[in-house]
Amino acid sequence: GENVEQHPSTLSVQEGDSAVIKCTYSDSASNYFPWYKQELGKGPQLIIDIRSNVGEKKDQRIAVTLNKTAKHFSLHITETQPEDSAVYFCAPDTGRRALTFGSGTRLQVQP
Amino acid sequence: SQTIHQWPATLVQPVGSPLSLECTVEGTSNPNLYWYRQAAGRGLQLLFYSVGIGQISSEVPQNLSASRPQDRQFILSSKKLLLSDSGFYLCAQGTGLGYTFGSGTRLTVV
Repeated sequence: GENVEQHPSTLSVQEGDSAVIKCTYSDSASNYFPWYKQELGKGPQLIIDIRSNVGEKKDQRIAVTLNKTAKHFSLHITETQPEDSAVYFCAPDTGRRALTFGSGTRLQVQP
Repeated sequence: SQTIHQWPATLVQPVGSPLSLECTVEGTSNPNLYWYRQAAGRGLQLLFYSVGIGQISSEVPQNLSASRPQDRQFILSSKKLLLSDSGFYLCAQGTGLGYTFGSGTRLTVV
C-alpha cells in the first residue's frame, strides 16, 4: 500500500507570513495529488489538487507543487490569515483504491 | 454538486450498546463511498469502502461493520461498542477527482 508522510506535524506562523507543508509518498503510480483542509469539528474539504502531468498549480494564495521524480508534493500558502488556521492533509491517489491520508499538519496563524 | 448527509452529529453511547450511523449522498449515482475514523488530534483511518450496492471492503479488523443497502446509502454499525470505538466518524464519496466529506459524527463511548 501507499506510505504517506507529511511534515511538519505542527506549524506556527505570523499573520502575513508564508507556510509550506510537504508530503512524501511511496507509490510511483500515484497520479493525483490533493490537499484537504479540516477546520475544528468539521469534515475535510478539498482546497487544491494537481495531476501528474503538471508541476505547479496556483489558486489565489494557495499553490501546490509536484516533484514526481522525488515523489513529493507541497502545499504553499502565502500571506497567511487567521482563517487559514486548520489541519491540512495530503492524500496522493493512484485511482486503484481508497485514499491514504497523511498524518496531518496543524497550522496556527498568529494574528 | 455532491452533498453528503451524515447523522447524528454527536452521539454518546454506553459500552456494549449497538451503533448505527447513516450516510446518504445526493448529486451523483453509483458513487464510491467510504467510512473513515479520526481519533482526537490524529489522522484519518480508512474503515470501509464500497464501489456499489452490497459491495463492502473492510480495511481494519474490528467490531464494526458496514452495509450499502441502496446506491446512495452507506451505514456503519456495531453490535457492541467498545471504549476504543470513540472518535470522529466521517463518510465520504469519491469520483477520482477528490473526495467530498460529510460533516461527521462525534461518537463518545462511555
